Amino acid sequence: EADIYQTPRYLVIGTGKKITLECSQTMGHDKMYWYQQDPGMELHLIHYSYGVNSTEKGDLSSESTVSRIRTEHFPLTLESARPSHTSQYLCASSQSSYSYNEQFFGPGTRLTVL
Amino acid sequence: GDSVTQMEGPVTLSEEAFLTINCTYTATGYPSLFWYVQYPGEGLQLLLKATKADDKGSNKGFEATYRKETTSFHLEKGSVQVSDSAVYFCALRNNAGNMLTFGGGTRLMVKP
Repeated sequence: EADIYQTPRYLVIGTGKKITLECSQTMGHDKMYWYQQDPGMELHLIHYSYGVNSTEKGDLSSESTVSRIRTEHFPLTLESARPSHTSQYLCASSQSSYSYNEQFFGPGTRLTVL
Repeated sequence: GDSVTQMEGPVTLSEEAFLTINCTYTATGYPSLFWYVQYPGEGLQLLLKATKADDKGSNKGFEATYRKETTSFHLEKGSVQVSDSAVYFCALRNNAGNMLTFGGGTRLMVKP
């Protein structure tokens, strides 16, 4: 069973607040990802990291930022939340190796910005 | 670029019905193909995978065969259960990179 955790699971917050969504994995995976999932279910990659001190923007532009100071931890931060940020955020991780490179997903954080 | 196209849902079936969810892809090279499932309120879980042409992935009664000639990876199950109600995502990983490209998802609803 995958060991990847996200907190909080649900968050309701007012406009303008700073928030950090936590993501941690205990599998020692080098690669980590953040996806935004809109109400229509489609997944959009917003950030990824290939290892410590490596972060890249994904296919969908996002006002959020990420950091990767430790292998197991990949937090996502919104400096000033807005209603347009309301969405489900999914974190994932995978291991670089000669394999099919399965991504393991966390349970997600459902964010509502009022 | 790479892309994955799934049939739009929702797909509504009665228990014990046969399920097919179509998935076709566009990619360069020889991608690996995946089906993920997302149950209500949860993240995605890998359901099955295939890494080369003609491979058949299977798990929990679900099957999908990697068809390179038709660039397809259709998901099938012979007899669905209410507990199979979820959103199903087809995805590919191009072996030239590490990213997954997802289809838009197909919601399956199984009625007793």
